[in-house]
Amino acid sequence: GQNIDQPTEMTATEGAIVQINCTYQTSGFNGLFWYQQHAGEAPTFLSYNVLDGLEEKGRFSSFLSRSKGYSYLLLKELQMKDSASYLCAVNPDSWGKFQFGAGTQVVVTP
Amino acid sequence: DVKVTQSSRYLVKRTGEKVFLECVQDMDHENMFWYRQDPGLGLRLIYFSYDVKMKEKGDIPEGYSVSREKKERFSLILESASTNQTSMYLCASVRQGEGNTIYFGEGSWLTVV
Repeated sequence: GQNIDQPTEMTATEGAIVQINCTYQTSGFNGLFWYQQHAGEAPTFLSYNVLDGLEEKGRFSSFLSRSKGYSYLLLKELQMKDSASYLCAVNPDSWGKFQFGAGTQVVVTP
Repeated sequence: DVKVTQSSRYLVKRTGEKVFLECVQDMDHENMFWYRQDPGLGLRLIYFSYDVKMKEKGDIPEGYSVSREKKERFSLILESASTNQTSMYLCASVRQGEGNTIYFGEGSWLTVV
């Protein structure tokens, strides 16, 4: 079967760093994506990894190890507006039938 | 700008009613999807479509049907709404090919009473 696991909730202080881990087992692999979703809103695209290694985009970085079926999203210099749910998703093929994790709720405290 | 538009943001329907959720994308994407999102369960795929008039069942199709008469429009139909279909419904589209991200509509909050 297909499985994507990520922690349910993480809490961190404003200005700190938080790392959200994601492990996956899918029938195929055509890229791993991270999305941010604020309460009551649609998910929005944050990052994409298809090769092993680290992709950096400002305060957000995402890492992938395909051999381990593992990714993480690193959020640096946390701001209050970063409080949201973060979804790990795998695109298993070129047809775009994404598989999503249940999401990690990040709570940023003052 | 990329846009996926869901016509209804908030709906309240009675048990047994027929419900239509409409979705339109302006990106000429081939693939369109309907998900529902429930707390603790994440996004679950209901139906998807790779082309006009084509549809395939996702993971939880029971109680739902879809229609894709035009490339830009993908409709989700609840033939007889039930209270366990109270949820947030997300429409999405993707361009076929590698490395393409999925784009979501704003979501439709459906309450069945």
